[in-house]
Amino acid sequence: GAVVSQHPSWVICKSGTSVKIECRSLDFQATTMFWYRQFPKQSLMLMATSNEGSKATYEQGVEKDKFLINHASLTLSTLTVTSAHPEDSSFYICSARDPPGMNAFFGQGTRLTVV
Amino acid sequence: EDKVVQSPLSLVVHEGDTVTLNCSYEVTNFRSLLWYKQEKKAPTFLFMLTSSGIEKKSGRLSSILDKKELFSILNITATQTGDSAIYLCAVENSGNTPLVFGKGTRLSVIA
Repeated sequence: GAVVSQHPSWVICKSGTSVKIECRSLDFQATTMFWYRQFPKQSLMLMATSNEGSKATYEQGVEKDKFLINHASLTLSTLTVTSAHPEDSSFYICSARDPPGMNAFFGQGTRLTVV
Repeated sequence: EDKVVQSPLSLVVHEGDTVTLNCSYEVTNFRSLLWYKQEKKAPTFLFMLTSSGIEKKSGRLSSILDKKELFSILNITATQTGDSAIYLCAVENSGNTPLVFGKGTRLSVIA
């Protein structure tokens, strides 16, 4: 079945640094990928929709200059958390569907801890 | 505004019990409803439901959709401690749009 791979699974970084998270569709092409954030004991919150070859669409309240999304190819989307702060610590998950309308596949998730 | 409401939010049962998790929805252009199980990492797929009244079954888990009343249930029979997880319900609209998630039901199965 379709697989979405996310890397890294776990990262600790210092305040003020930037962290890049990669999301790859391994055996299908994903023109659209979605980035979610999940706080402890809460559901997935959509952050942005990543579109290959164009600008991402951000949800209300999500700072596009802080959470940079690049979707340069049909199999790779990246989320960069810039100038990270402790409040950015969270679980970030990407997903894509193959093809659109089928089951959404999720990456393994990235647990970010900013100290 | 599209919304998905799950109930209960949290549930504690003993091994061997049967549980029913509920999911109601209001979305503009319904295409499908999906159930996921989330343990420590990303959600894993359980079921996709598109048609009313057709039960989907996988082992001790089953699910059914009612498109007239706009809800779905997820049943787990003979629960085991390994069933402890957050169960997420999500609804898909037409087009390549993101899923709309409910808040999840946290199920704890105790021995």
